[in-house]
Amino acid sequence: DTTVKQNPRYKLARVGKPVNLICSQTMNHDTMYWYQKKPNQAPKLLLFYYDKILNREADTFEKFQSSRPNNSFCSLYIGSAGLEYSAMYLCASSRKGYEQYFGPGTRLTVL
Amino acid sequence: GDSVTQTEGQVALSEEDFLTIHCNYSASGYPALFWYVQYPGEGPQFLFRASRDKEKGSSRGFEATYNKEATSFHLQKASVQESDSAVYYCALSDLGTQVVGQLTFGSGTRLQVYA
Repeated sequence: DTTVKQNPRYKLARVGKPVNLICSQTMNHDTMYWYQKKPNQAPKLLLFYYDKILNREADTFEKFQSSRPNNSFCSLYIGSAGLEYSAMYLCASSRKGYEQYFGPGTRLTVL
Repeated sequence: GDSVTQTEGQVALSEEDFLTIHCNYSASGYPALFWYVQYPGEGPQFLFRASRDKEKGSSRGFEATYNKEATSFHLQKASVQESDSAVYYCALSDLGTQVVGQLTFGSGTRLQVYA
């Protein structure tokens, strides 16, 4: 099974409110990633977990948090959503250095 | 930093036409190159990869050859079908300069094939 699951598929949030997105995989992959995808733009890597170590991109360091309570699950947390956070959020997993498997994404709309 | 450029934002073809989507990259190291395909309502799916100069990657009738000199990895298919309609992403990763070989994506090319 090469499925990566994401919940919810659609999320509506109010400006200033927190948002928590969930991702799971059962492939025992050591690395899990979160990307932000806006229309007509490339998916942008936000952060990734390699095993238990979190790596956040420098330009999004303060905007996103994440946790990985076990190998299978990874969350993406936004403490205070702004309009600019409206996007598709893609979760992926892989073994280090190998191809990534993506979930279907969560479409976040911030109003 | 590393970057990937896809020249075509959109491509419209008829069934059985020949497809080329151009991909050029810029990287400080010696990256692996990938093609991913995304169908509506789904996440990107791995299509194939190539890891060294002149290596050809292929899957489902699609192919691309790693050209280090030209820094290119152009996607081709001899005869497209309506079911190939999707968004195609070129990407690179470099384990030599990155922690886990995380992907840098191009902006994508939307392919629409008409019957």
